[in-house]
Amino acid sequence: AQKITQTQPGMFVQEKEAVTLDCTYDTSDQSYGLFWYKQPSSGEMIFLIYQGSYDEQNATEGRYSLNFQKARKSANLVISASQLGDSAMYFCAMREDTDYGNNRLAFGKGNQVVVIP
Amino acid sequence: DGGITQSPKYLFRKEGQNVTLSCEQNLNHDAMYWYRQDPGQGLRLIYYSQIVNDFQKGDIAEGYSVSREKKESFPLTVTSAQKNPTAFYLCASSRDRLAKNIQYFGAGTRLSVL
Repeated sequence: AQKITQTQPGMFVQEKEAVTLDCTYDTSDQSYGLFWYKQPSSGEMIFLIYQGSYDEQNATEGRYSLNFQKARKSANLVISASQLGDSAMYFCAMREDTDYGNNRLAFGKGNQVVVIP
Repeated sequence: DGGITQSPKYLFRKEGQNVTLSCEQNLNHDAMYWYRQDPGQGLRLIYYSQIVNDFQKGDIAEGYSVSREKKESFPLTVTSAQKNPTAFYLCASSRDRLAKNIQYFGAGTRLSVL
């Protein structure tokens, strides 16, 4: 079964607007970590933000915030004040902590974002 | 500059040939990983290593081999047994036993078959 689901079609967003990228996950673990990565056209994966399952507050890193809804198993990424450089693929990933020692990540298929001026 | 260096950036393989992708890190990270990415897909784990001289198979290890003789280096060999090797390969590393255990990635190697 797919552990991470990202099903939005490609998105166009106006510069300076906010965009929300959906991610739902499936796990029976109580302890897990959720990650978002950005992949520009150059190909490298850039870490953006982390949310632990026991973190009571939503994670924030600059213009990135994570809307964590544990009961719904949802970990949406919000990018505020979009910039042209935000155009990229965005991947959600999960580490289940029964697998903590191995630190194996399960990745979704990604969301494509294009920022238009 | 601290980081993860993958080389080459582009690689071409002939039928029946083994090729080796290089991954070097100077972050003093304990753990290293190899992923494969196909077009329009997420990443799939090939092999990972938590310490020198030890490594484990990931989800798609068939047709690949690795070694971890030094902490800094984790080369991936794509063998002739891998029948569909055309893909983008990403190497990552993480500092084990930290709470977040974030994986950091190199710039990738794009492998094509001639």
